[in-house]
Amino acid sequence: GESVGLHLPTLSVQEGDNSIINCAYSNSASDYFIWYKQESGKGPQFIIDIRSNMDKRQGQRVTVLLNKTVKHLSLQIAATQPGDSAVYFCAENRGFNKFYFGSGTKLNVKP
Amino acid sequence: GAGVSQSPSNKVTEKGKDVELRCDPISGHTALYWYRQSLGQGLEFLIYFQGNSAPDKSGLPSDRFSAERTGGSVSTLTIQRTQQEDSAVYLCASSSGWEAFFGQGTRLTVV
Repeated sequence: GESVGLHLPTLSVQEGDNSIINCAYSNSASDYFIWYKQESGKGPQFIIDIRSNMDKRQGQRVTVLLNKTVKHLSLQIAATQPGDSAVYFCAENRGFNKFYFGSGTKLNVKP
Repeated sequence: GAGVSQSPSNKVTEKGKDVELRCDPISGHTALYWYRQSLGQGLEFLIYFQGNSAPDKSGLPSDRFSAERTGGSVSTLTIQRTQQEDSAVYLCASSSGWEAFFGQGTRLTVV
């Protein structure tokens, strides 16, 4: 039968602005989270991770925020650049070494 | 190897033919995942292997799709009687408890 694709939400931002990409998770027992970046024609690459005993972690121009109360994860990119244009995925580890990967958000950076 | 390796990187096949896609996970990673990504769309879960446990096949779209993981390491995804809607990038990921990495994917084109 016909395959049904997964709609890919798109976030458009102006170069130099900050970007916020959101991810909701469902399992309150999830204890570890990862953000990935997938550039066109490539596999997803690890960006930053966070454990559930933290609510914020910063990398180079990226910050991940974890709100366990509402089960929400966000990736903030400061001073977004054209090279940040990609699809971003979140992943949660619900325990027993099983990761669940979100379907992704496409970030489009306008010059 | 240093990362997750998938082969071939590209595969063009005629409609109705069978194809096999291979994934070599990171050594020591007990969990292995297959995902499908149609052009411009998000990740679609196919199957998950964890150690010697029975695989989670809940994402396989039809009985034309099957996967094996031999010796807890290499995995093969087989698509029988390929259809044009099977055209997509097939991504493999492997994980331990605190990391998960993707391969570069196999781009399958059914003509």
